Amino acid sequence: EAGVAQSPRYKIIEKRQSVAFWCNPISGHATLYWYQQILGQGPKLLIQFQNNGVVDDSQLPKDRFSAERLKGVDSTLKIQPAKLEDSAVYLCASSFTGTGASEQYFGPGTRLTVT
Amino acid sequence: QQPVQSPQAVILREGEDAVINCSSSKALYSVHWYRQKHGEAPVFLMILLKGGEQKGHEKISASFNEKKQQSSLYLTASQLSYSGTYFCGTEERGTSYGKLTFGQGTILTVHP
Repeated sequence: EAGVAQSPRYKIIEKRQSVAFWCNPISGHATLYWYQQILGQGPKLLIQFQNNGVVDDSQLPKDRFSAERLKGVDSTLKIQPAKLEDSAVYLCASSFTGTGASEQYFGPGTRLTVT
Repeated sequence: QQPVQSPQAVILREGEDAVINCSSSKALYSVHWYRQKHGEAPVFLMILLKGGEQKGHEKISASFNEKKQQSSLYLTASQLSYSGTYFCGTEERGTSYGKLTFGQGTILTVHP
């Protein structure tokens, strides 16, 4: 079974530039999550999709971050404009259902460096 | 609110045991445990649900005290491959299903 795919794996941009990350979840997984993981910390949920609808985006900085999940499969996360504090690893995860009884499978992440 | 993990770091020799704790101030529906090796994605270890149900790997054991909102992960007869950072993720009652809040992590190092 193929895992969660993410691209790019690494990205370096200057502050005030824009960047986009792509995620392809495990086939058949209805729920997709985007996390931000700052070095030395645990992952922080940014947004949770159930199929193509948003379940929770309470921690997404909506003035600069946006995300969409087209047709309930792939998802993109965009940052515009980027700030220095956005430097982090952005992890995408998916689960079969959106319940707490469903384990989340993480992708390899995109390491973003903002200079 | 972020759960609190303890200890922050632990160093073991192969074969020794360790316990990692996770405590929340919120009423919980479930606790998830993940291990992350340096530069890699977190990997699922176990889910503990309110009511006592557990899902996870056979060689990993954990407990969930619903009254205290605390969970412990038990690593016995540690192997070199157990090294990594362990995170607990808590699902709070009354929030979106599947929404996890992760602790700050516990760094486990196993030496030969």
